Amino acid sequence: EIVMTQSPDTLSVSPGERATLSCRASQSIGTYLAWYQQKPGQAPRLLISGASSRATGVPARFSGSGSGTDFTLTISSLQFEDFAVYYCQHYNNWPPRPFGQGTKVEVK
Amino acid sequence: QVQLVESGGGVVPPGRSLRLSCEASGFVFSSCGMHWVRQAPGKGLEWVAVIWYDGNTGSYADSVKGRFTISRDNSKNTVYLQMNSLRAEDTAVYYCARDPDDYGDSFYDYWGQGTLVTVSS
Repeated sequence: EIVMTQSPDTLSVSPGERATLSCRASQSIGTYLAWYQQKPGQAPRLLISGASSRATGVPARFSGSGSGTDFTLTISSLQFEDFAVYYCQHYNNWPPRPFGQGTKVEVK
Repeated sequence: QVQLVESGGGVVPPGRSLRLSCEASGFVFSSCGMHWVRQAPGKGLEWVAVIWYDGNTGSYADSVKGRFTISRDNSKNTVYLQMNSLRAEDTAVYYCARDPDDYGDSFYDYWGQGTLVTVSS
């Protein structure tokens, strides 16, 4: 079973700064990786699929990269609405469908 | 626009049953795999179950296997989660999520707002 591990657990960033979130798979998953954003009291929202393809309506300040086992979500200039929890998930692999434990991006 | 609306959550004693529903609109429901994902209070996301576009195959997380059953009625654009023998650790917000792949083998591009299930005596 593939395990997804995100780091750090919490990232403290000032508005306007760059945020870099990491996700590591326990074995190679190609580019079958999605990123989701979740704000308090809300459902998750798809940001990135295929490791680097932004979903419809996602601002260009969000970018994804990586392949194999190491992936990165970068928010180039944090806006107040970006403070949230971010999850990575491996797909294209018959269940289970593992999520990472999440990275909370908080105001520094 | 795509909408997923869950219902059926509530407070239930341990050992009892509950059925969740998720009604879909705004897309061709019968062409998409559907998933249930849950989130315990203050915790991360946990995948629960998936069902193929035609309802013929489902799969489950080990934590619910043998107790939960996923099904769908394409004539009603609705996916269900029958939860039996509920335990305290099943307490969570349950989300349904659309998978654009008909075999449910892709990411989740739309999510419902969630329904809270609390298992407590």
